[in-house]
Amino acid sequence: EPEVTQTPSHQVTQMGQEVILRCVPISNHLYFYWYRQILGQKVEFLVSFYNNEISEKSEIFDDQFSVERPDGSNFTLKIRSTKLEDSAMYFCASSEPSGGAGELFFGEGSRLTVL
Amino acid sequence: GQNIDQPTEMTATEGAIVQINCTYQTSGFNGLFWYQQHAGEAPTFLSYNVLDGLEEKGRFSSFLSRSKGYSYLLLKELQMKDSASYLCARMDSNYQLIWGAGTKLIIKP
Repeated sequence: EPEVTQTPSHQVTQMGQEVILRCVPISNHLYFYWYRQILGQKVEFLVSFYNNEISEKSEIFDDQFSVERPDGSNFTLKIRSTKLEDSAMYFCASSEPSGGAGELFFGEGSRLTVL
Repeated sequence: GQNIDQPTEMTATEGAIVQINCTYQTSGFNGLFWYQQHAGEAPTFLSYNVLDGLEEKGRFSSFLSRSKGYSYLLLKELQMKDSASYLCARMDSNYQLIWGAGTKLIIKP
């Protein structure tokens, strides 16, 4: 069964460092998303991406964040200068070409710890 | 606002039935999702309702009333492995998922 894969599963970094989280969405999906979940809190939408550009982003997704689809398979989230409060689980998701109105398939998540 | 309200925690007994309610803002509505999330894991899809009524899928059923901004997830024949958080999420007109805080379901033997 096709699945969304994320790397790394866990990354520890120093405050102020840049971090890149990688995702490989399901191959025929065209809509991609990043969500985050701070420990014990609810899942929060960060950004959605379609047709090689950001379609929606939340207030959380400020200038420190960027997304990229550098090739036909990877979808990356970059945090330019990490802060302590960026420590969270980051989930990548993708959905089918019919659009967002359907099931989102989630990756296993990347746990980011900022020290 | 975009509030989605669901109970913080519920407890039920193995083999029993439990109903988890969710209320949401009705404007810009484009569907209501339920996801299951075990601690430390990604959410997994349970159901999607866009029309009024009950959708049944095995032991799990989901109900939607669009006029009332109300949904529930019904879990039957509870098993210990059903202990998890159950997340209600509303899809808005921009296809964004707006998540509730989740309901932690504790199953007791």
